[in-house]
Amino acid sequence: DAGVIQSPRHEVTEMGQEVTLRCKPISGHDYLFWYRQTMMRGLELLIYFNNNVPIDDSGMPEDRFSAKMPNASFSTLKIQPSEPRDSAVYFCASSAGPSIRPTNEKLFFGSGTQLSVL
Amino acid sequence: KQEVTQIPAALSVPEGENLVLNCSFTDSAIYNLQWFRQDPGKGLTSLLLIQSSQREQTSGRLNASLDKSSGRSTLYIAASQPGDSATYLCAVWGGHTSGTYKYIFGTGTRLKVLA
Repeated sequence: DAGVIQSPRHEVTEMGQEVTLRCKPISGHDYLFWYRQTMMRGLELLIYFNNNVPIDDSGMPEDRFSAKMPNASFSTLKIQPSEPRDSAVYFCASSAGPSIRPTNEKLFFGSGTQLSVL
Repeated sequence: KQEVTQIPAALSVPEGENLVLNCSFTDSAIYNLQWFRQDPGKGLTSLLLIQSSQREQTSGRLNASLDKSSGRSTLYIAASQPGDSATYLCAVWGGHTSGTYKYIFGTGTRLKVLA
């Protein structure tokens, strides 16, 4: 398996523009997570999906952020309009989820999208 | 509210040393704990996962222990090498009773092993 695939790797945009980040989870994983990492706040969970359904979006900072998972192999995180304080690395991760097999609970991360909002 | 702390924030050691990285969590009602490695500009890689019923897990030169009652986990790296240089993060999950499948991450320990 190619692992969790994120695109783009880098995104530079101007304040007010719409930004869309994409993620392809590992095939067969039922859980997909979107995280944001900054120096100040560390790694924060924004939202996670189970079987394509959003379960916990309490970490989504504002209405400017939205996430979708139209099918088991694709998810997007959209920021509209973007602001300079949204600059961070955004990670997508997937997991097979809680299971009698502990190794199924491991989180697998993509390489991230470095977002810079000018 | 679960809080995860990692001390020290940064560590620099000569090659060959055995080292211990620490992870503390405030709520002992965890289901499992994972240790991750993050290289600069890369995503996180899961190194070890310890279930709450376990005391330790080993993988090669890495050994992770868990003392749930005291809210602590340690990651032991034997005979450190320059290739071990990275940031190490721990994360805990409260299990099904927490009502969510949300891992809480520590801020990490940035390790540098000098050749």
